Amino acid sequence: EVQLVESGGGLVQPGGSLRLSCAASGITLSTNVMSWVRQAPGKGLQRVSAIDAGGANIYYVDSVKGRFTISRDSSKNTLYLQMNSLRAEDTAIYYCAKGGVGHVSDYWGQGTLVTVSS
Amino acid sequence: EIVLTQSPGTLSLSPGERATLSCRASQSVSSSYLAWYQQKPGQAPRLLIYGASSRATGIPDRFSGSGSGTDFTLTISRLEPEDFAVYYCQQYGTSPVTFGQGTRLEIK
Repeated sequence: EVQLVESGGGLVQPGGSLRLSCAASGITLSTNVMSWVRQAPGKGLQRVSAIDAGGANIYYVDSVKGRFTISRDSSKNTLYLQMNSLRAEDTAIYYCAKGGVGHVSDYWGQGTLVTVSS
Repeated sequence: EIVLTQSPGTLSLSPGERATLSCRASQSVSSSYLAWYQQKPGQAPRLLIYGASSRATGIPDRFSGSGSGTDFTLTISRLEPEDFAVYYCQQYGTSPVTFGQGTRLEIK
């Protein structure tokens, strides 16, 4: 059974940093395209970042370029999203999802809430 | 980027009725890489349909997807009480992967 479990969310002040984690079981992250998708309160879904199986192709939505960094640790089978210089508009539930370009997102984590507020 | 426009924004129907949800793309979706997701309050999205018309594992056959190119449809043949939720389409054939804004299916 595939499980994706996010952690690391919380309340942070504008300009602060958080690192989100997505621990995977039942799949090997290094052989799959993985994405971070966020959902602002009461809003729709937005893919924020993605990394392909080889790690050579990485995507960021324009609004987070230069502030967010996606990475993974194969030894821990864990995906990360380092978020710096956080803004109020980054407030959202962040989901880890298997899939990206050419690969449907068939597995999702339960999400972790990030709140950016003073 | 490919913009997906879903209609209607809200659909009010009764259990047992047929629901038809539309997703229109601003340009052709590559290889029919179009998916539909269901999301209930407090839950992550759940994959229903991929490749425009293939049902995901465990999805009841009252859910069906159709379409190609720029016009896609999700049909729920007979609504069950648990089907009232928000539905999103997604294209995953061209970078960046994009989602529609969602259709809320509510009980009439």
